[in-house]
Amino acid sequence: GQSLEQPSEVTAVEGAIVQINCTYQTSGFYGLSWYQQHDGGAPTFLSYNALDGLEETGRFSSFLSRSDSYGYLLLQELQMKDSASYFCALRNYGQNFVFGPGTRLSVLP
Amino acid sequence: DADVTQTPRNRITKTGKRIMLECSQTKGHDRMYWYRQDPGLGLRLIYYSFDVKDINKGEISDGYSVSRQAQAKFSLSLESAIPNQTALYFCATSGGVPTDTQYFGPGTRLTVL
Repeated sequence: GQSLEQPSEVTAVEGAIVQINCTYQTSGFYGLSWYQQHDGGAPTFLSYNALDGLEETGRFSSFLSRSDSYGYLLLQELQMKDSASYFCALRNYGQNFVFGPGTRLSVLP
Repeated sequence: DADVTQTPRNRITKTGKRIMLECSQTKGHDRMYWYRQDPGLGLRLIYYSFDVKDINKGEISDGYSVSRQAQAKFSLSLESAIPNQTALYFCATSGGVPTDTQYFGPGTRLTVL
């Protein structure tokens, strides 16, 4: 089977940089995605890594290392509105997704 | 208008009742998914469909069934609801490669008493 692990909670201050890690176990996958979910809202897509390395989208960057079975989401210049839950997800060879348990990010003033 | 809609948004029902949750999308995507979200467990896949004639079980399909009435419509049914099916349910669509980005509906909060 497949499984993903993430820290349950992360706290940081406004303006700081925070990294949310995701480790996984899988027999094969196409890529690693990241989604953001605010309380009471729906998940929204942030980033996708098909290949090893860093993908940058504005203040958000995502990294993948297949050899280490590891990825992370990097959020820079944190803002209060970044307080949310963040999920990593594998797109597997069965063409569906397996999500991690989520990391709740709290941004303090 | 929202690209992915779900009805109802909230539902309270009793054990043993049959419940249907509906999902419609205007994105023109072939792929549709039903997920369940419980605190601390992330999103778990119930069923998915890659076209009208294609239905696949996900990780937690027991106790659920689905119907793909058209490309734009994908319904989830609980044949006989039980309290541990109390959860937040999301429908999602995706357009395929390269990223297979998923677009989620607003969710249905279901409570089974």
